[in-house]
Amino acid sequence: GDSVTQMEGPVTLSEEAFLTINCTYTATGYPSLFWYVQYPGEGLQLLLKATKADDKGSNKGFEATYRKETTSFHLEKGSVQVSDSAVYFCALSFNKFYFGSGTKLNVKP
Amino acid sequence: DAGVTQSPTHLIKTRGQQVTLRCSPKSGHDTVSWYQQALGQGPQFIFQYYEEEERQRGNFPDRFSGHQFPNYSSELNVNALLLGDSALYLCASSLVLGTGFAGNTIYFGEGSWLTVV
Repeated sequence: GDSVTQMEGPVTLSEEAFLTINCTYTATGYPSLFWYVQYPGEGLQLLLKATKADDKGSNKGFEATYRKETTSFHLEKGSVQVSDSAVYFCALSFNKFYFGSGTKLNVKP
Repeated sequence: DAGVTQSPTHLIKTRGQQVTLRCSPKSGHDTVSWYQQALGQGPQFIFQYYEEEERQRGNFPDRFSGHQFPNYSSELNVNALLLGDSALYLCASSLVLGTGFAGNTIYFGEGSWLTVV
C-alpha cells in the first residue's frame, strides 16, 4: 500500500547548520508530495508541496525536490534557526493523505 | 480569512462513553477530512466528507462516524470509547478542484485533544 518513511529523530543542530530530513515514499502511481510542520501544541501547517516529478517546492528557506527515480522528497534548509524547532511530517496524497511518523528538529543557539 | 476551527480544544471522557467533535472548515472550502494523531505519531486518515457524504474512509472501525452539514462544517462521533482512542483529533479542509481530490492541499485546525480514562 501507499506509505511514507521518514528518518527518525530527534535531529539536533546548532543554529546556522545545514538541515536534511530524509523522506521516501511507496506509491502505486505518482502522488503529490508535501511537507507539513507542527509546532508544540498546534496543528499541522503546510510548509511546501510538489505535484509532479522534478518539481521543487520551497518556502521560508526550506526546499524539497520530487525525485521519481529514487521515490524521495528530502527536506533541506541551508541555515536553520532556533525558531525552526518543530516536528516535520512528510506526506503523500492521491485522494487522501498518508503521513510519515514525523521527525523532531531541535535547533540550539 | 478564518482558518479551520475545531471544538472543544480538550476533553476527558470515560471508557464506553461517546464523544462528538466539531469542525468548521476554512472559508471557501467544501471538503473536510478527519485524522487521528497518537502521541509521537503522524496523523492517520479517518474519513473524508464532501457534499454531505462520506467519500473515503481509512482503517477505522464503525465506532467512528461523521457528518457534514450544508454549511460544510462537520462532526466526528466516536462511540464506545476505548483507552486507545486517546489522541489528538485533527480536522482538515480543502477545496475540490476540477481534478477531484488528488493533490489538493489540506489545511489543518489545531485539533481536539481527547483523553479517555
